Amino acid sequence: QSALTQPASVSGSPGQSITISCTGTSSDVGGYNYVSWYQQHPGKAPKLMIYEVSNRPSRVSNRFSGSKSGNTASLTISGLQAEDEADYYCSSYTSTSPYVFGTGTKVTVL
Amino acid sequence: EVQLVQSGAEVKKPGESLRISCKGSGYSFTSYWISWVRQMPGKGLEWMGTIDPSDSYTNYSPSFQGHVTISADKSTRTAYLQWSSLKASDTAMYYCARHLGQKDGMDVWGQGTTATVSS
Repeated sequence: QSALTQPASVSGSPGQSITISCTGTSSDVGGYNYVSWYQQHPGKAPKLMIYEVSNRPSRVSNRFSGSKSGNTASLTISGLQAEDEADYYCSSYTSTSPYVFGTGTKVTVL
Repeated sequence: EVQLVQSGAEVKKPGESLRISCKGSGYSFTSYWISWVRQMPGKGLEWMGTIDPSDSYTNYSPSFQGHVTISADKSTRTAYLQWSSLKASDTAMYYCARHLGQKDGMDVWGQGTTATVSS
């Protein structure tokens, strides 16, 4: 099972919106509505930001939203803030592995 | 408070064995699957395998099958990740994490356990 494909880096200015893509196949992202997104700050454990494509845990800011189209899922961060600077990983249930993470995206707030 | 607390950092030599632990509290331990995730220095997250603590059913990533063993003890609410013969390439941070549902994301994470394997 190959890792899901994410851009290595995405950047934006405070207040802007950015979108991170996560591309898989019909055996994972495209085949199930079990895509999750995680935020990881340096030296910290990952934190669940989105589950089941677009659901947000109660403690997560509504500036974070998720969606999916075909084999590609997306995480959008609106009103970008300095504290959003971190690494972000997608994950999906798969028909084989049964879980797989994305390659990770470093978000930089300019 | 729902939490997973992992055992402390380990330093081992190649060929030695190792078992690290992950203790759950604040929730029904047998109601949620637990996965182990590897993060090598400066690298991304890798799913290693998962266990259903209610019956100890396990499922491993092909990349880790045969090299690690995942187990759980319901009586102590603890999940384990173990190696019988470590390699230098096992040097990494290891996280345990609880799944929302069998196919779902991981909503509670341990603080991580660093394993360093060096001669």
